[in-house]
Amino acid sequence: EIVMTQSPATLSVSLGERATLSCRASHSVSSNLGWYQQKSGQAPRLLIYGASTRATGVPAKFSGSGSGTEFTLTISSLQSEDFAVYYCQQYDNWPLTFGGGTKVEFK
Amino acid sequence: EVQLVESGGGLVKPGGSLRLSCTVSGFTFSTCSMAWVRQAPGKGLEWVSSIIKSGSHIYYTDSVQGRFTISRDNGKNSLYLQMNNLRAEDTALYYCARVPSASAWYYFDSWGPGTLVTVSS
Repeated sequence: EIVMTQSPATLSVSLGERATLSCRASHSVSSNLGWYQQKSGQAPRLLIYGASTRATGVPAKFSGSGSGTEFTLTISSLQSEDFAVYYCQQYDNWPLTFGGGTKVEFK
Repeated sequence: EVQLVESGGGLVKPGGSLRLSCTVSGFTFSTCSMAWVRQAPGKGLEWVSSIIKSGSHIYYTDSVQGRFTISRDNGKNSLYLQMNNLRAEDTALYYCARVPSASAWYYFDSWGPGTLVTVSS
């Protein structure tokens, strides 16, 4: 099983600042990596797939990078609606696995 | 508009059974693989099971293999999860999710609001 490790567990950010979230895979997953946003009480929402491709309707403030075992999600100029939990997910190998999540909170 | 709506959750005793359903609209169900993903209270996301568009290939996470059965009815635009021999650790919000590919080996681009399964005596 490929273990996905996200850091930090909690990220405190001020409005307008940039947030950088990390996701590390225990084995290479190539670019088969997705990022999701989950707001409190809501279902997850796909943000990024293929490590760097934004899903339909996702604003350009969200960007993904990386390949192999190291991945980053960057959120530029955080607004109130961006405070949420973010998960990465690998789909390179069975079982499909998610990271433990990074909570982006207001500083 | 793509919509997925789960139903069938509830309170069940350990060892009991439940059947979850997911009814979809807004896309051609028969062309997409589908999946169930769960989230225990206050915890992260866990993939449970996937089924390809034809239903001929099915995948499970180890912890539910032999207890859960995923199926689909393309004529009814519906996905199912039969859960038997339920355990306390199966308590979670169960999401139905669309896989935007004929392959089940993929990400999830649309999710339902979830249905809560609670396993407790």
